[in-house]
Amino acid sequence: SAVISQKPSRDICQRGTSLTIQCQVDSQVTMMFWYRQQPGQSLTLIATANQGSEATYESGFVIDKFPISRQNLTFSTLTVSNMSPEDSSIYLCSVEDLAGTSGEQYFGPGTRLTVT
Amino acid sequence: LAKTTQPISMDSYEGQEVNITCSHNNIATNDYITWYQQFPSQGPRFIIQGYKTKVTNEVASLFIPADRKSSTLSLPRVSLSDTAVYYCLVGEESAGNMLTFGGGTRLMVKP
Repeated sequence: SAVISQKPSRDICQRGTSLTIQCQVDSQVTMMFWYRQQPGQSLTLIATANQGSEATYESGFVIDKFPISRQNLTFSTLTVSNMSPEDSSIYLCSVEDLAGTSGEQYFGPGTRLTVT
Repeated sequence: LAKTTQPISMDSYEGQEVNITCSHNNIATNDYITWYQQFPSQGPRFIIQGYKTKVTNEVASLFIPADRKSSTLSLPRVSLSDTAVYYCLVGEESAGNMLTFGGGTRLMVKP
């Protein structure tokens, strides 16, 4: 299993500003994923972040808006840029369990972002 | 990726068995069926995964008929703490496989 922490746990930001969310894993992992969960909705994948390569973004998400860094095998950051109220969501990172059940992912507790 | 359909919500009472059915008519040969549980203010948590027939672990059972076009997550003797959203996912069992979440089923367990 993997233990994942995220910082900050929540924040309230003004529109037009940017916020960087950190994701820390207690073990080395190759792939990390970033999801968005809007209020009352399901999770939507933003991008996949592999160590040593550029992040791969899903349809509807672009690097300019959500730049992702993968600093090493245990850490990644997601920046929400030029925020608007529509960006108010929970942002979650996850990692894949390479040692256990294929397809199983471990999720962080999420970062609750409110944009005013 | 195969699309999944689940009931939006279900109510149950403590001690009852809860069965949540998921439809995935377009499931592919290489697809596995995986269920996640999400409590409020937490990230989703893996519950169970299966390919066909029946899988059981300490948390739940997963029933998959021969045509694999649906699956049923069975939670025995639920408690209040089982109140959560349950997601059914279908996809290939391979490294680097992203998860595609559907709408999920919001289970409310009442005393």
